[in-house]
Amino acid sequence: LAKTTQPISMDSYEGQEVNITCSHNNIATNDYITWYQQFPSQGPRFIIQGYKTKVTNEVASLFIPADRKSSTLSLPRVSLSDTAVYYCLVGEGSARQLTFGSGTQLTVLP
Amino acid sequence: DADVTQTPRNRITKTGKRIMLECSQTKGHDRMYWYRQDPGLGLRLIYYSFDVKDINKGEISDGYSVSRQAQAKFSLSLESAIPNQTALYFCAISKGQGSSYNEQFFGPGTRLTVL
Repeated sequence: LAKTTQPISMDSYEGQEVNITCSHNNIATNDYITWYQQFPSQGPRFIIQGYKTKVTNEVASLFIPADRKSSTLSLPRVSLSDTAVYYCLVGEGSARQLTFGSGTQLTVLP
Repeated sequence: DADVTQTPRNRITKTGKRIMLECSQTKGHDRMYWYRQDPGLGLRLIYYSFDVKDINKGEISDGYSVSRQAQAKFSLSLESAIPNQTALYFCAISKGQGSSYNEQFFGPGTRLTVL
């Protein structure tokens, strides 16, 4: 399983765009990049997944450069309710296991 | 109704007691997982099951056992609870083989305290 590295914490203000970058230098050809969000005392929630270039859904965008050694989760116009821990995971599409690192604590300030 | 249900939601027990945490799902997914989370840390996989006859150890299976009673039910047991098993436990489910998505659906969690 590819190891991921992401910042421990980030602060932002309401209404700003937030970009969280994840490094995964050892990503394998068959690996997908998946992001989860977790609020305190709740289970993680799937946000977005991608393989290359750009993926967008109703809550976020995921940017993946051509070498796929990193990825950036973009949250447009964050609100206080986006304060949470964000996990970047890398694994094969039908992986038997997912490895959650320590994640990035995003704090949105008023 | 929630897709993934965990019981109990909170449990306080004493060292040496046997504890069972239960998980049930209504989505009909084949894969089920048990994780534990310690304060300030990410989730660690304890056991996972891809169908009723498939049980696999995860990263930290020592001191735990599981039972997949049916496709919809996956139980985690602590044979003899110890204080360092105090944690938040999550059950998760995902689609079966052929899905290209690492999308897991998590239950609400069980907060276990071992005194």
